[in-house]
Amino acid sequence: QVQLVDSGGGLVKPGGSLRLSCEASGFMFSDYYMSWIRQVPGKGLQWISYISMNGRSIYYTDSVKGRFTVSRDNAKNSLFLHMNSLRAEDTAIYYCARTTNGCFDYWGQGILVTVSS
Amino acid sequence: QSALTQPPSASGSPAQSVTISCAGTSSDVGGYNYVSWYQQHPGKVPKLLIYEVDKRPSGVPDRFSGSRSGTTASLTVSGLQPEDEADYYCCSYSGRTNFYVFGTGTRVTVL
Repeated sequence: QVQLVDSGGGLVKPGGSLRLSCEASGFMFSDYYMSWIRQVPGKGLQWISYISMNGRSIYYTDSVKGRFTVSRDNAKNSLFLHMNSLRAEDTAIYYCARTTNGCFDYWGQGILVTVSS
Repeated sequence: QSALTQPPSASGSPAQSVTISCAGTSSDVGGYNYVSWYQQHPGKVPKLLIYEVDKRPSGVPDRFSGSRSGTTASLTVSGLQPEDEADYYCCSYSGRTNFYVFGTGTRVTVL
């Protein structure tokens, strides 16, 4: 069965960096676009980035452009989100999601990132 | 990019129907068939209910249906059940920016 496992979250100071990982199983990882989506606790969902199957096309929402970098390792069935220059407003639960047919059909369990001094 | 507009809340009695709207523009909801809907129970991961405007993934009850008129998409939940009480989000691909944009979310209460 399709499974996505998010990891790497935690507490980081403003201006700091963090790397999130998403390990996929149960499907051919290299055949799918993948996305990162976040949600401030108690608030709505925000799409932040997606990466093409081969990693050559990547798009970011404006608020993270230049600070966040998405990458993938198809050999290891893994997706990454490198977050730099973190701000308090980046505090959220981060989900990786399989992206197909213009939607997000499977989601990771989510990982909390807290940016605070 | 602005979020798609949904009503903050909706409600209905068991067995009734409730319809949630999702207002966008010709650059997103009205321009592409990549409109999807998600259900999220408190503390849980969002679940895909509808994709490509009106298609249901396997396992999603046919009580959930999607439609679109112009730049507004809608999700109808028929035969409301207590377990349908949750937050619902629409989402659309925006071709103008190659982004995805979510709706503001609607909390459905089963009275």
